[in-house]
Amino acid sequence: DAKTTQPNSMESNEEEPVHLPCNHSTISGTDYIHWYRQLPSQGPEYVIHGLTSNVNNRMASLAIAEDRKSSTLILHRATLRDAAVYYCILRDSFNTGNQFYFGTGTSLTVIP
Amino acid sequence: DGGITQSPKYLFRKEGQNVTLSCEQNLNHDAMYWYRQDPGQGLRLIYYSQIVNDFQKGDIAEGYSVSREKKESFPLTVTSAQKNPTAFYLCASSIIASTYEQYFGPGTRLTVT
Repeated sequence: DAKTTQPNSMESNEEEPVHLPCNHSTISGTDYIHWYRQLPSQGPEYVIHGLTSNVNNRMASLAIAEDRKSSTLILHRATLRDAAVYYCILRDSFNTGNQFYFGTGTSLTVIP
Repeated sequence: DGGITQSPKYLFRKEGQNVTLSCEQNLNHDAMYWYRQDPGQGLRLIYYSQIVNDFQKGDIAEGYSVSREKKESFPLTVTSAQKNPTAFYLCASSIIASTYEQYFGPGTRLTVT
């Protein structure tokens, strides 16, 4: 079952901010929100994760809605190297063995 | 350097042959995972293991087998029973905690003709 919903594709101009949305209306109170990205022919790489509060790291920011039914990954200045497929994933803190559900993600195109 | 290695990067086999994909990690992670990715699709979980000598089926385990004899190694065998084995196979590992991320290997692209 799909736990998250993301747009299939988005475009951004280089050096502009990008907001990648994710809906997770059935999220439970123990689900963490993880974001990964995957460059062509490579394995996914971790971007950021959070539970309730907004999070920042060197790669991106994660904004989580107050009701936690949606979140937004923010790339502050898109570069050509940010062109990738971005996956929004829920991970259950009480069932940590296998609960990484990768949907089809959002394919981000960065325009020079 | 710590990380996950998968070999080979490209693998070609004839239909009807079993093939084993290698996955090794030196991150001292307890959990390891195998995923399959088809063109334009997301990742689907094949098998995962949280401890040596124990593993569980994921969503698409039919036609695959695994072993976990050592903490650092989690090989995947694609058997002849797998109807559509051609795909990109990804191995990952993590600490067993929902706050912790998975680390992925570079993947093995298997082509069966």
